[in-house]
Amino acid sequence: AQSVTQLDSQVPVFEEAPVELRCNYSSSVSVYLFWYVQYPNQGLQLLLKYLSGSTLVKGINGFEAEFNKSQTSFHLRKPSVHISDTAEYFCAVSEWGTALIFGKGTTLSVSS
Amino acid sequence: DAGVIQSPRHEVTEMGQEVTLRCKPISGHNSLFWYRQTMMRGLELLIYFNNNVPIDDSGMPEDRFSAKMPNASFSTLKIQPSEPRDSAVYFCASSPDREAFFGQGTRLTVV
Repeated sequence: AQSVTQLDSQVPVFEEAPVELRCNYSSSVSVYLFWYVQYPNQGLQLLLKYLSGSTLVKGINGFEAEFNKSQTSFHLRKPSVHISDTAEYFCAVSEWGTALIFGKGTTLSVSS
Repeated sequence: DAGVIQSPRHEVTEMGQEVTLRCKPISGHNSLFWYRQTMMRGLELLIYFNNNVPIDDSGMPEDRFSAKMPNASFSTLKIQPSEPRDSAVYFCASSPDREAFFGQGTRLTVV
């Protein structure tokens, strides 16, 4: 069965600094990978997804992620963060015909 | 599209009472999921329906939990009897293919 590990539970950064949120997955077959963002008291919103093709995927709000099959990773990056990026970020994996399985989440705190 | 609609948004109930959470998926989506979110356990998959048929219910905690999807536009998650440890945010999500679209969630408090 697939699983997801988000290596950092909390990531504090200053505004306009770059950030990387790390995600590793475990699966025995081809996978689909996702990053979601959750703002307080809201549902999860899709940031970006990798289904196939180019390993570098771009999403909303200036975020991007790179699929690395050899390292089973799908790290999320943003070159310059804003205060408004403060939120909880979830990495998720699925296989054909299965539901999304989520990591424990990473809290990104951006301060001025 | 209004997105995935869940009701109620908040529910406070006493231990031992029956609780029913409701979900209306996005029209045309053929998969529906129920997740539970807590601080300790994060986001857990409870059950996954495809074309109204339960495909994976291995995440349903115990017999007190049951889920139904009588048609493509409605699903319920029922807890009977409820216990304080069931307190959590319950999310419904639907999917047309790969990615899931989430509702706003139901915050359940069992006292």
